[in-house]
Amino acid sequence: DAGVIQSPRHEVTEMGQEVTLRCKPISGHDYLFWYRQTMMRGLELLIYFNNNVPIDDSGMPEDRFSAKMPNASFSTLKIQPSEPRDSAVYFCASNPSGRAMRNEQFFGPGTRLTVL
Amino acid sequence: QQQVKQSPQSLIVQKGGISIINCAYENTAFDYFPWYQQFPGKGPALLIAIRPDVSEKKEGRFTISFNKSAKQFSLHIMDSQPGDSATYFCAASKGGSYIPTFGRGTSLIVHP
Repeated sequence: DAGVIQSPRHEVTEMGQEVTLRCKPISGHDYLFWYRQTMMRGLELLIYFNNNVPIDDSGMPEDRFSAKMPNASFSTLKIQPSEPRDSAVYFCASNPSGRAMRNEQFFGPGTRLTVL
Repeated sequence: QQQVKQSPQSLIVQKGGISIINCAYENTAFDYFPWYQQFPGKGPALLIAIRPDVSEKKEGRFTISFNKSAKQFSLHIMDSQPGDSATYFCAASKGGSYIPTFGRGTSLIVHP
């Protein structure tokens, strides 16, 4: 199994530009999560999907952030316009439903975003 | 509101020593307590987990101790090795939820 795949691994952009982060969850996992990691705030849950439907987006910091999951194998997190304070590592994670596995999050390698 | 408090923020241990990381939680509905290990440039990965019906769980050199009455749990790494140098996150989740609440993380450095 290839695990959770994220792209790009690194992104450097200028303030005001649109940024799109991509994620391919593990096949068969029906939960998908987007996290942001910073030194100041640790791991923050931004949004999660179940069966491609957004369930809770209360962690999305502002309207500049949006996420979509058009199908079971692909999700995007978009920031428009980007700001320097958005600089962080963004992780995608997936999780299979089912009692035995319900609490293990499988994380991707992350995208390190730098907004200049 | 931080529902899972983790300490220390950073920890330096000599090779062969014992590393101890502590977490405290507030929500008594939590019933699953995993620890995640994150190496630089990687995403966190599940290391070991415990449920509140036991007070201790051991897997190799890694042990979770759980104190339900105090609402605290800790990770002990015995015979710490340089390869254990990583960031460790405790987490907690409640029945029926797929969403763990993470602690802030502990950066562990094990000196050779």
